[in-house]
Amino acid sequence: DTGVSQNPRHKITKRGQNVTFRCDPISEHNRLYWYRQTLGQGPEFLTYFQNEAQLEKSRLLSDRFSAERPKGSFSTLEIQRTEQGDSAMYLCASSLEYAGSFGRTEAFFGQGTRLTVV
Amino acid sequence: GDSVTQMEGPVTLSEEAFLTINCTYTATGYPSLFWYVQYPGEGLQLLLKATKADDKGSNKGFEATYRKETTSFHLEKGSVQVSDSAVYFCALREEKFYFGSGTKLNVKP
Repeated sequence: DTGVSQNPRHKITKRGQNVTFRCDPISEHNRLYWYRQTLGQGPEFLTYFQNEAQLEKSRLLSDRFSAERPKGSFSTLEIQRTEQGDSAMYLCASSLEYAGSFGRTEAFFGQGTRLTVV
Repeated sequence: GDSVTQMEGPVTLSEEAFLTINCTYTATGYPSLFWYVQYPGEGLQLLLKATKADDKGSNKGFEATYRKETTSFHLEKGSVQVSDSAVYFCALREEKFYFGSGTKLNVKP
């Protein structure tokens, strides 16, 4: 399967612990997004990368959240000092951007990582 | 700023009924528009898209037309099946994606 892969699928952690999620995008895709989804809501933007450059980070995102995409391939999302309000599904998506495609290509989503903070 | 508003659910229909899920948007530029579908415990799957005004996206019997004059992108299907039961998200894209809150569809046999 060559789709977007996220690990782990589920994570239960105690409040105050740090967690890290991994996303492997479709191999030729140069753009990678992170979204968060809570029950009954649509995905909420967190951040996105073009190759290894982080181009935007949501202003709603606290400093406890950090994301990297060191070689322009896989990405990690770390949450430090987790809080119960961080419990959500974390979705990764990727897309292929090319000259003249801006804003028209679709994103392909992974199955998500469900985080539960107890 | 950019935003998407879609009709609240759940929508409950009998098999073979006609489906409409309304979606309207607000955008600063000229976005592309998408419908995604999400099954329980899964990520989002692209259903269809339209990249400019008057384009019609279609897939698996679903259709939506990009209406710039009414800033709408309503999803329709002529005859729903039980297997169409899922949550449907309308989205627009400029630099990043903006999603509606989702509409849950329940189709009864």
